[in-house]
Formats: sequence, C-alpha cells, structure tokens
Amino acid sequence: GQNIDQPTEMTATEGAIVQINCTYQTSGFNGLFWYQQHAGEAPTFLSYNVLDGLEEKGRFSSFLSRSKGYSYLLLKELQMKDSASYLCAVLDSNYQLIWGAGTKLIIKP
Amino acid sequence: GAVVSQHPSWVICKSGTSVKIECRSLDFQATTMFWYRQFPKQSLMLMATSNEGSKATYEQGVEKDKFLINHASLTLSTLTVTSAHPEDSSFYICSAREGGEYTEAFFGQGTRLTVV
Repeated sequence: GQNIDQPTEMTATEGAIVQINCTYQTSGFNGLFWYQQHAGEAPTFLSYNVLDGLEEKGRFSSFLSRSKGYSYLLLKELQMKDSASYLCAVLDSNYQLIWGAGTKLIIKP
Repeated sequence: GAVVSQHPSWVICKSGTSVKIECRSLDFQATTMFWYRQFPKQSLMLMATSNEGSKATYEQGVEKDKFLINHASLTLSTLTVTSAHPEDSSFYICSAREGGEYTEAFFGQGTRLTVV
C-alpha cells in the first residue's frame, strides 16, 4: 500500500530551528510537495522537490532523498505565525497526490 | 501565486437539503480541479478529480450521486452535496492546477459545512 509518515506533533521555540521529517512508500514517485495549513484554513504551497538535494526558499528549506524515501522541511528563525500543520504529499506514478496526515507545529515564546 | 476562490466559506443547512459549493480560479485557467474533504486532525482526502468539459473521476467510496461535481468552464467547478446528512458535515476544499501533473495546486479557502 501507499504510505506517508510524519510526526503528529512537534514543539519548538520562537527564533529556533525545527526540522519536520517525512518518509514515504508509494507506487512510483513524481515529486514531493510541502504545504502549510493553519487551523480552519486551506493548505498553502511551500515547496516542490523532484530531484535529490536541498531547495532553499527564505526561512524554509526542503530536502529530498529518493533512494531513502525521505524528505524534510527545515524552518529557521521560527516565528509565532509559523504555528500550523505541515503536510507532506507525494505525487505517485499515476500522478495522484498521496497526502500525509500532517505535523502540527507548536511554537512557544 | 495564483488565486483560487471558494464560496461559501461556511454554510449551515438542514438535513435533507442540498448545498452547492463553488470553486473559481481567478487569474488562470484551471485544466484540472480537485475536491477534497478533511475531517478534524486528519489528512486531506481526495474525493474527485475533474477536467473541464468531462465527467469527474471519483475516488473509491465516494458516492457520485451524492456529491455532484460540475466543471463547466476552465475557471469554475462546483460541488453539490445532495440530500445532506449530519455525517456530511466536514471541511471541503477545492484546488486547481493550471498546467500538468508537476505543477503546484492552488487551494481555495475551504468551506465548512455543518448539517443540522
């Protein structure tokens, strides 16, 4: 079956760095997306990785290792507004997006 | 990024009535639109995929006669929940994609449906 694993919840301190991991087992791979979702709102796009390596975009970076079926989202200089759920999603061989359950990130002052 | 507008943001309806949710791509033509359902603290669940001018493709377990999807134009898709029941209460989200499979999907604001 297809499976995406992320931690359910993480806590970090304002100003610090946090890494949210995502491991996947899917039928084929055509890229991995990270989305941010604030409570009660729709997800917003953060990043897309299809090749191995690190993609940096401001305070957020995303890493992919296809051989390990692994990705992480790195958030630097955490701000209170970063408190949200972070969703990992993989595009499988049928070009269907398989969604993880999301990681709830709690930022403390 | 591109803008997808979903309306209404929230709706309360009586059991047995029908509710229509609209999803519009405001500044691009959406070749493909997706409808998701999300229960509290759970992942997004894809309900159906629709391409403009053709019938929607429903995921297994989703009743096509209950959740009617119409993608009449490149900028508008609608989801109608027919004969709604309390168990249909959920957060419904649409997303739209302008290009091919590798392009990001832009999400509407979501609609919180409560059936009483």
